[in-house]
Amino acid sequence: AQKITQTQPGMFVQEKEAVTLDCTYDTSDPSYGLFWYKQPSSGEMIFLIYQGSYDQQNATEGRYSLNFQKARKSANLVISASQLGDSAMYFCAMREPGNQFYFGTGTSLTVIP
Amino acid sequence: DTEVTQTPKHLVMGMTNKKSLKCEQHMGHRAMYWYKQKAKKPPELMFVYSYEKLSINESVPSRFSPECPNSSLLNLHLHALQPEDSALYLCASSPSQGWNQPQHFGDGTRLSIL
Repeated sequence: AQKITQTQPGMFVQEKEAVTLDCTYDTSDPSYGLFWYKQPSSGEMIFLIYQGSYDQQNATEGRYSLNFQKARKSANLVISASQLGDSAMYFCAMREPGNQFYFGTGTSLTVIP
Repeated sequence: DTEVTQTPKHLVMGMTNKKSLKCEQHMGHRAMYWYKQKAKKPPELMFVYSYEKLSINESVPSRFSPECPNSSLLNLHLHALQPEDSALYLCASSPSQGWNQPQHFGDGTRLSIL
């Protein structure tokens, strides 16, 4: 079974609108971390936001927030007030104790002016 | 600017050449990673160093040889590569290998094998 599933290969959003990128995960370990990364066409992987399995509150970092629904095993990334510079590939990832990062297949986001 | 520095940014080499990729971080992180990434795919883990010792080798061909000279530096030595090795090579670091610690990536080296 896939550890991380991103079902949206490509997404479009109008500038200044909010967008939600979906991520579901599969684990039976009570301890795990969830991460989102942004990768522009230039190649660098930029860490955006982290959510721990024991965290009660949804993580937020500026315009990024993580909608963590533990029972559904989902960790969707919400980007508010989209900007042209948000156009990039977005990867969801998970790590369990003793294991390495599992990455999803990514979602390509295009912001339309 | 990223806090993990990779050089060179681009590298073109022939199949008989020997070259090295370099990665440096000054965040005091004790875990460092090499990933290979093909276009429009997620990164694939190649090697993990923890406290300067190789802890994971994901069945990578021996034409890739990692080295960790000290806690801040990570090298990837390349020899007799194949055209299918053309990819983006990413270095990352984290404070340790804890499950709750993000990995911080460099800008990558775009490698082309002629």
